[in-house]
Amino acid sequence: AQSVSQHNHHVILSEAASLELGCNYSYGGTVNLFWYVQYPGQHLQLLLKYFSGDPLVKGIKGFEAEFIKSKFSFNLRKPSVQWSDTAEYFCAVNAGSARQLTFGSGTQLTVLP
Amino acid sequence: GAGVSQSPSNKVTEKGKDVELRCDPISGHTALYWYRQRLGQGLEFLIYFQGNSAPDKSGLPSDRFSAERTGESVSTLTIQRTQQEDSAVYLCASSLGSGNSPLHFGNGTRLTVT
Repeated sequence: AQSVSQHNHHVILSEAASLELGCNYSYGGTVNLFWYVQYPGQHLQLLLKYFSGDPLVKGIKGFEAEFIKSKFSFNLRKPSVQWSDTAEYFCAVNAGSARQLTFGSGTQLTVLP
Repeated sequence: GAGVSQSPSNKVTEKGKDVELRCDPISGHTALYWYRQRLGQGLEFLIYFQGNSAPDKSGLPSDRFSAERTGESVSTLTIQRTQQEDSAVYLCASSLGSGNSPLHFGNGTRLTVT
């Protein structure tokens, strides 16, 4: 069965700091990878996704993620965070023929002004 | 262009009572998912509907949980004889149905069992 690990439960950064949130999955075959974000009081929404091709994908609001197949990782990055990036971030995997997404436990990001 | 709508937004119920949660997916979305999010935890898959195919119920935690969906419309998630451990946010999502289609989530129903 597929599983997703997000190692950081809570990350606190100051504005303009660089961000990297870890995500590792366990599945040896073809995967579709996603990052979702939940801003305070809002519903979950898609941040970016990887299906195939260039392993470095760009998302909304300056976020990017790199798929490293050899490491089973899909880490989320942003060069300079803003206070408005305060949210909970979820990594998700859709592997093989499975239709449901398997989500990680989430990382709460707090950006201090 | 409405998004996924869930009702009620909040539900407080006594232990042992039955509850019914409703989800209106985005029009045209053939796939519908239910997830559960307990406090401080990730999203736990419950059930998946795709068109008229048999639903994937592999995530339902017990036989107290059931869900229905008629065609590609509204879905209801029913929890019978609620227990305190059922307290969570229940999230519904819909998508166009292919394996790489992103999910569109509703705001969830926060269920509290007292």
